[in-house]
Amino acid sequence: AQRVTQPEKLLSVFKGAPVELKCNYSYSGSPELFWYVQYSRQRLQLLLRHISRESIKGFTADLNKGETSFHLKKPFAQEEDSAMYYCALSGNSWGKLQFGAGTQVVVTP
Amino acid sequence: DTGVSQNPRHKITKRGQNVTFRCDPISEHNRLYWYRQTLGQGPEFLTYFQNEAQLEKSRLLSDRFSAERPKGSFSTLEIQRTEQGDSAMYLCASSLYGTGGVQPQHFGDGTRLSIL
Repeated sequence: AQRVTQPEKLLSVFKGAPVELKCNYSYSGSPELFWYVQYSRQRLQLLLRHISRESIKGFTADLNKGETSFHLKKPFAQEEDSAMYYCALSGNSWGKLQFGAGTQVVVTP
Repeated sequence: DTGVSQNPRHKITKRGQNVTFRCDPISEHNRLYWYRQTLGQGPEFLTYFQNEAQLEKSRLLSDRFSAERPKGSFSTLEIQRTEQGDSAMYLCASSLYGTGGVQPQHFGDGTRLSIL
């Protein structure tokens, strides 16, 4: 069965410090992995997807198929990065998403 | 385009009543998804439409739930004989069918259902 695990419910970091959000998945095939973000009082929105290999708002994520992980990283956290972050997996061409439980990031000055 | 629109934003009803939610996707998007989110959890997939065809339903979607997407435009999600456990945020998302991998989904603000 496919599963997405985000082990940290809450991550508190100081502004300027590095931040890493962990995401591990289980899936028998070759899934597509995503990070979605929800800022306070805003709707859920895509942050980045593994096939794009982009850096969005300073965030990067590398798919490690050996460790079945897709951790999200940013070298210098900013206060505006405070949000709820969800890792998600899609295992079929229809795009159905399986989400993790989410990690709340709080960046303090 | 204001993005995905969901109505109502909040719905409070008594147990046993029927409720219906509406989702208006981004106009050119032919794929539409419904998810349910409870406190402390990520969204859980409920059902998927490609144009007007409902192609997948989760086992979470009991017989009391029904979804439609007539003419492949807006969609409705109806819950009959609501139960306490139906209290949740119901999210709608849409995307465009395309090549180059799974296309990003655009989410609405959701409808928060509270069962008294």
